[in-house]
Amino acid sequence: DQQVKQNSPSLSVQEGRISILNCDYTNSMFDYFLWYKKYPAEGPTFLISISSIKDKNEDGRFTVFLNKSAKHLSLHIVPSQPGDSAVYFCAASARGSGGSNYKLTFGKGTLLTVNP
Amino acid sequence: EPEVTQTPSHQVTQMGQEVILRCVPISNHLYFYWYRQILGQKVEFLVSFYNNEISEKSEIFDDQFSVERPDGSNFTLKIRSTKLEDSAMYFCASTGTGTYGYTFGSGTRLTIV
Repeated sequence: DQQVKQNSPSLSVQEGRISILNCDYTNSMFDYFLWYKKYPAEGPTFLISISSIKDKNEDGRFTVFLNKSAKHLSLHIVPSQPGDSAVYFCAASARGSGGSNYKLTFGKGTLLTVNP
Repeated sequence: EPEVTQTPSHQVTQMGQEVILRCVPISNHLYFYWYRQILGQKVEFLVSFYNNEISEKSEIFDDQFSVERPDGSNFTLKIRSTKLEDSAMYFCASTGTGTYGYTFGSGTRLTIV
């Protein structure tokens, strides 16, 4: 059951251009969304997040957009740099479900390659 | 910057044998997790641990799996009788109160032969 879907396994962009990574979700209970970046032989690194009460969150070159009605979010990287080349995971959580944990449901990831 | 440390980085184990994966979370974090990623697949939640007990576990986390925080600093994942399908990258993570910005370790690549 793929509650979080990243339909593009890979994306290639030129340095300096915009990278747009997409993510769709099916669980309407999800109310918090995150993007993680992963380099080979390393663990995922938290990048940026957004609560469902917002539609945009920006941090430097990274912006996440959330369209709740479409159950879709996207990560924009502008300008893209070769060091951004990595696998990007979308993740989601249902904070409102209570309990004492912050379990995340991940997508399969998108391999971003930024060419010099 | 504080890190989550996982050992070993690689582990090869015979099918049916027990394996223990070790993690040292960030010292002031309260929530601890194990996730795994089978090659080419998504990162999957296994278990969360808070206040010295399991707070949630996935259906993957069956009776063959257990977690412990034996000494206040280490957080271990034990697989009692390993199967070929347990081969995966296992990630430990920790987080402080009220945050989803997990810090992940670099992972242990477990290969069952």
